[in-house]
Amino acid sequence: QKEVEQNSGPLSVPEGAIASLNCTYSDRGSQSFFWYRQYSGKSPELIMFIYSNGDKEDGRFTAQLNKASQYVSLLIRDSQPSDSATYLCAPSGSARQLTFGSGTQLTVLP
Amino acid sequence: EAGVAQSPRYKIIEKRQSVAFWCNPISGHATLYWYQQILGQGPKLLIQFQNNGVVDDSQLPKDRFSAERLKGVDSTLKIQPAKLEDSAVYLCASGTVKGQGNGYTFGSGTRLTVV
Repeated sequence: QKEVEQNSGPLSVPEGAIASLNCTYSDRGSQSFFWYRQYSGKSPELIMFIYSNGDKEDGRFTAQLNKASQYVSLLIRDSQPSDSATYLCAPSGSARQLTFGSGTQLTVLP
Repeated sequence: EAGVAQSPRYKIIEKRQSVAFWCNPISGHATLYWYQQILGQGPKLLIQFQNNGVVDDSQLPKDRFSAERLKGVDSTLKIQPAKLEDSAVYLCASGTVKGQGNGYTFGSGTRLTVV
């Protein structure tokens, strides 16, 4: 069983729509959860983190966490073509190391 | 603040040759990580340092990979001898040990091609 599973996509949404990215994890000891965005040919950049159950909003991004279900998601509202990238989910382990999923490739169509 | 510096940006070598990558973390960051990212996959942790000590190297193929972090600052990752399957981007990241929300910052990576 993979430690971190993401819907692999590719996921296509029209400009202005909501993009929903999902992630499940196996390590119940994970405390913090990070979302990174990776443009093609570039390195990952941090866009959101969450460590409490519920929702956390930052601009057009909302992270949702349900530790009982071992599930974390990222919603992108009013999607823009510039949001087209691969989104990586990464729970944090006990030594603060991040374990990455394989990522979901998102394409926002103009 | 300056970001994580890595060099070289690209490297092409033949199988069985050796190669080394260099990383300079963000000033003051105690933790340093080396990740391997194969095309189409997420980054995979190879080794984690805190200051100049190894925290986790459980996924480092120690028969061919080695890494060091002298004086708790710069780090080098070496592969000897290289195999075709080592073709990947090698990412260095650094972070702090304070707070729950401190994800880490990646460098621009070194793209290795083994032919």
